[in-house]
Amino acid sequence: NAGVTQTPKFQVLKTGQSMTLQCAQDMNHNSMYWYRQDPGMGLRLIYYSASEGTTDKGEVPNGYNVSRLNKREFSLRLESAAPSQTSVYFCASSASGGSGANVLTFGAGSRLTVL
Amino acid sequence: KNQVEQSPQSLIILEGKNCTLQCNYTVSPFSNLRWYKQDTGRGPVSLTIMTFSENTKSNGRYTATLDADTKQSSLHITASQLSDSASYICVVTRPEVTGRRALTFGSGTRLQVQP
Repeated sequence: NAGVTQTPKFQVLKTGQSMTLQCAQDMNHNSMYWYRQDPGMGLRLIYYSASEGTTDKGEVPNGYNVSRLNKREFSLRLESAAPSQTSVYFCASSASGGSGANVLTFGAGSRLTVL
Repeated sequence: KNQVEQSPQSLIILEGKNCTLQCNYTVSPFSNLRWYKQDTGRGPVSLTIMTFSENTKSNGRYTATLDADTKQSSLHITASQLSDSASYICVVTRPEVTGRRALTFGSGTRLQVQP
């Protein structure tokens, strides 16, 4: 009964380093999302995947890349980390991307600090 | 611009007391509005969803209201408990022509319940 699992929970990077945040869901959901959460701001969508093999940019995609490896897994990569990418990152999934009524199930978050 | 504004930003109440959190939105067109609860260090969890035709919906001690004409929603917590200490996030969904969901998140209200 894991739901959405994100790794790592914490990471400290130096400016210019790269890293990948991993996300997996076991609910057979079609849609998966990556959000970032910054103090005083609402969650902002980085990338979205409606189904395996498809990805779309969200509100703040610059500096990020994603891979929908299969139906279960959706990874977020920072190729050259910048201090502005210091944030808490949340992966989420939902049963359908087409209906506004579906519930997002979130992971526990990954706290990233870029020095 | 599609926005979701929540008030107050933070709130401290004594255990057993009631409180009401506010959400005003300018998102259009409107599909639904959902309240999430986010415990510290965890991802948001859905509390309740309101569609255009619904005025009130309850989930235990949580009651959400929606006035689609004035674009306002409230979340009322009755007989607060220490476990209610969390951030409460209002999320408004727009239907997208392409099928890609568009959610706008409020920045949340931080509630602290004290003994």
